[in-house]
Amino acid sequence: DQQVKQNSPSLSVQEGRISILNCDYTNSMFDYFLWYKKYPAEGPTFLISISSIKDKNEDGRFTVFLNKSAKHLSLHIVPSQPGDSAVYFCAASARGNTGKLIFGQGTTLQVKP
Amino acid sequence: EAGVAQSPRYKIIEKRQSVAFWCNPISGHATLYWYQQILGQGPKLLIQFQNNGVVDDSQLPKDRFSAERLKGVDSTLKIQPAKLEDSAVYLCASSQQGVVGNTIYFGEGSWLTVV
Repeated sequence: DQQVKQNSPSLSVQEGRISILNCDYTNSMFDYFLWYKKYPAEGPTFLISISSIKDKNEDGRFTVFLNKSAKHLSLHIVPSQPGDSAVYFCAASARGNTGKLIFGQGTTLQVKP
Repeated sequence: EAGVAQSPRYKIIEKRQSVAFWCNPISGHATLYWYQQILGQGPKLLIQFQNNGVVDDSQLPKDRFSAERLKGVDSTLKIQPAKLEDSAVYLCASSQQGVVGNTIYFGEGSWLTVV
């Protein structure tokens, strides 16, 4: 049972354009969502998060949007840079669930110069 | 501040052999996690410790996997006997507390290949 889904295995964008990575979830108990970035041969690194009481969180070039009614969140990267090329994982957690994260399958982003 | 340390980084073993991975979390982090990431999939939680107690091991294949965190600091994950499907990256992570909203920091991972 895949509770967090990233349906696009890969995405390719041109440098300077917007990258939009999508994530869907099925568990209505999830109330905290995170994006992690992973370079080859490294562990995932925290990028940005959002609580279910918000619908948007922004940090520099990165913005996460949450649509609770659709059980959907997205990560926008503007402008995209070649160094953003990595695998992006969406993750979710539920209140009272001791911080345990449920991850999506990941989306590989390639930003072309 | 030092990050989450893991060793060994890479290990190749034959099926039915055993292997052990070590993790030292970020200093002061009470919660330690072991995740398994199979190629093409997202990380899956195997076990979560709060100090030296187990909080969640519901997805740990207990017939072959074991983990311990005896002094509430570093931890060891063991697989015995290994199967081909155990080939994966084993990620250790830690957070200050195991509660929603606390950022989880990952180590670089231990890459296991079972042949």
